[in-house]
Amino acid sequence: GENVEQHPSTLSVQEGDSAVIKCTYSDSASNYFPWYKQELGKGPQLIIDIRSNVGEKKDQRIAVTLNKTAKHFSLHITETQPEDSAVYFCAARNTGRRALTFGSGTRLQVQP
Amino acid sequence: DGGITQSPKYLFRKEGQNVTLSCEQNLNHDAMYWYRQDPGQGLRLIYYSQIVNDFQKGDIAEGYSVSREKKESFPLTVTSAQKNPTAFYLCASSTGQNLGYTFGSGTRLTVV
Repeated sequence: GENVEQHPSTLSVQEGDSAVIKCTYSDSASNYFPWYKQELGKGPQLIIDIRSNVGEKKDQRIAVTLNKTAKHFSLHITETQPEDSAVYFCAARNTGRRALTFGSGTRLQVQP
Repeated sequence: DGGITQSPKYLFRKEGQNVTLSCEQNLNHDAMYWYRQDPGQGLRLIYYSQIVNDFQKGDIAEGYSVSREKKESFPLTVTSAQKNPTAFYLCASSTGQNLGYTFGSGTRLTVV
């Protein structure tokens, strides 16, 4: 089945700096790659997603890139703010199993 | 407002007891999912359902059971066969077209 690896497990940046979180997936049939943000004690919230027919997608300070050949995708957050501090999860989904497989999460801390 | 509701927020279980976690959505979503989250780990799939009266096992279904008698509801029972049930349980739903999930706020189950 699908396996998703996520790095780093923790990331600390200064306010205003950029943050990059990387994920790799194992199943070449995967075609949908969302990113979720989870605040303490809450359920994850979708922040951006990308499908396999697109290489990059941007939404204000957040962008996601996908390299299908290498089977990896990344989340980029620019001009980080303290409210960006949370745990971020990547996920992948293929048409064979109609459910998401999640990475292990990255705890992002933005220092004011 | 449309959303997905999990109850209770906190649940305590004695050894050998079965407990049922509630998940209700009013988003008219066809698919529903249950994930387990342990500290410092990603989300692991327990069960999922694409349509009413049908569900499939995920990666860690042993010791759990579900039902999907109504489109809006997908309750999860944690049985006494689940040896290590203490965790944060997340329910999610999605439409067929939009692959991204909407998550509930979670139920924290503790064995006492």
